[in-house]
Amino acid sequence: ILNVEQSPQSLHVQEGDSTNFTCSFPSSNFYALHWYRWETAKSPEALFVMTLNGDEKKKGRISATLNTKEGYSYLYIKGSQPEDSATYLCAFSQGTSYDKVIFGPGTSLSVIP
Amino acid sequence: KAGVTQTPRYLIKTRGQQVTLSCSPISGHRSVSWYQQTPGQGLQFLFEYFSETQRNKGNFPGRFSGRQFSNSRSEMNVSTLELGDSALYLCASSPASTGELFFGEGSRLTVL
Repeated sequence: ILNVEQSPQSLHVQEGDSTNFTCSFPSSNFYALHWYRWETAKSPEALFVMTLNGDEKKKGRISATLNTKEGYSYLYIKGSQPEDSATYLCAFSQGTSYDKVIFGPGTSLSVIP
Repeated sequence: KAGVTQTPRYLIKTRGQQVTLSCSPISGHRSVSWYQQTPGQGLQFLFEYFSETQRNKGNFPGRFSGRQFSNSRSEMNVSTLELGDSALYLCASSPASTGELFFGEGSRLTVL
């Protein structure tokens, strides 16, 4: 059974603060690690898909790192803005393809203006 | 490029009925996955199809089934509906090379 865990469950930060979330996943038979952002009343949108140990990806103020050997990934948001308020989902694939992407429970971020 | 389209967006059924949900993927995407989200739960994986073949499935009872057509459109069916099947059902298509999931807006099912 694949188990993806995320912490914290929820987070409230002030506008301008930087923050980070953690995703942990089984380190065996790793294939890919995904991050998605899910805003209220919208559909989840992909932020990053990472496959290599040590990979670091960045999109604007958001970045992510990956450690496949110990089974964790960090998502960082620099200078949080109210529009960053959303649930951030981590997802994991094992094996040799993307045929089963398992999501974690998510971290709910609220950025207070 | 049109996004992932799911129909219907909302529907109400009663216990014991069955329901069919439809998903049209982004043109060129051959992989379609289905997820269920219930209150308090994250996205639960139902199944994934690629080129009309189910490649993987989650831990759901046999009442949940799906299929994919030659044009990559997919349907999922839930038979003998139970109250606990009330949920948001999300479909996602993917270009197999990148694994990035593109989600539709979902079909919200209410079972009375």
